[in-house]
Amino acid sequence: QVQLVQSGTEVKKPGASVKISCKTSGYTFTTYYMHWVRQAPGQGLEWMGIIHPSDGSTTYEQKFQGRVTMTRDTSTGTIYMELSGLRSEDTALYYCARESNSPDYWGQGTLVTVSS
Amino acid sequence: QAGLTQPPSVSKGLGQTATLACTGNNNNVGNQGAAWLQQHQGQPPKLLSYRNYNRPSGISERFSASRSGNTASLTITGLQPEDEADYYCSAWDSSLSSWVFGGGTKLTVL
Repeated sequence: QVQLVQSGTEVKKPGASVKISCKTSGYTFTTYYMHWVRQAPGQGLEWMGIIHPSDGSTTYEQKFQGRVTMTRDTSTGTIYMELSGLRSEDTALYYCARESNSPDYWGQGTLVTVSS
Repeated sequence: QAGLTQPPSVSKGLGQTATLACTGNNNNVGNQGAAWLQQHQGQPPKLLSYRNYNRPSGISERFSASRSGNTASLTITGLQPEDEADYYCSAWDSSLSSWVFGGGTKLTVL
C-alpha cells in the first residue's frame, strides 16, 4: 500500500533553515508528482510547490521563491523540502502529498516550530 | 496566493444533508476541476473526490461532488457524527501555475 512517512518534529531559531524528508513506498516513485503543503496552527492549507521525482523538476509557489528548495533521491524514494530564512510565521505542520489527479495520499505531517 | 472561496462554517443535524460550496474562476475550478479533502482534527487531509465528481476507492457514496461553472459543490447525505470535520476544496490554477486551496469549511453535525 502507498505510504508517505515524514521526518520528525523540528525546532528552529529565526533565520535558520530546516530540511524535511518524505519517504515513499508502495508505488513507483518516479511516476507521480509530489506536493508540499503546509498548515499553520488553526489555519487552512497552503500550497508550497511540487516536484517531479523522475527528473527533479520543480514549481514553487511564488511566495516561497528564493527560500524553498525541493529535491529527491531516487535511490531511496525520498523527497526533501528545505526552507531557509525561517521566521515565526513559518511555524506550521508541513505535509508531503502524492499527486494523482489531485493530492491523493498524504504524509503524517512534520511540525516545524520557529522560536527564539 | 489567490485562493478559492468557501464559507467558514456549516451546521446541519444528524441524518440531514449538507452541501458545501467552493467558488473559483475560469483558471481553476471552471477549467481544471476541483478536488475535495476532509480533515479531522490532528489528522492529515483525506481525498474525497477529484476532477469534480470522481470518488477514490473506499470513499462512502454518501459523499458526492459536482461542479457548475466556476463553483464546485460537495454534498454529504445522511450526516453522521464522524462527518464533523474541516473540508477543503482545491484545484490547479493554470494562470498562477500553482495549486490553490479554499480556506476550508468547518462542518458541525448537531
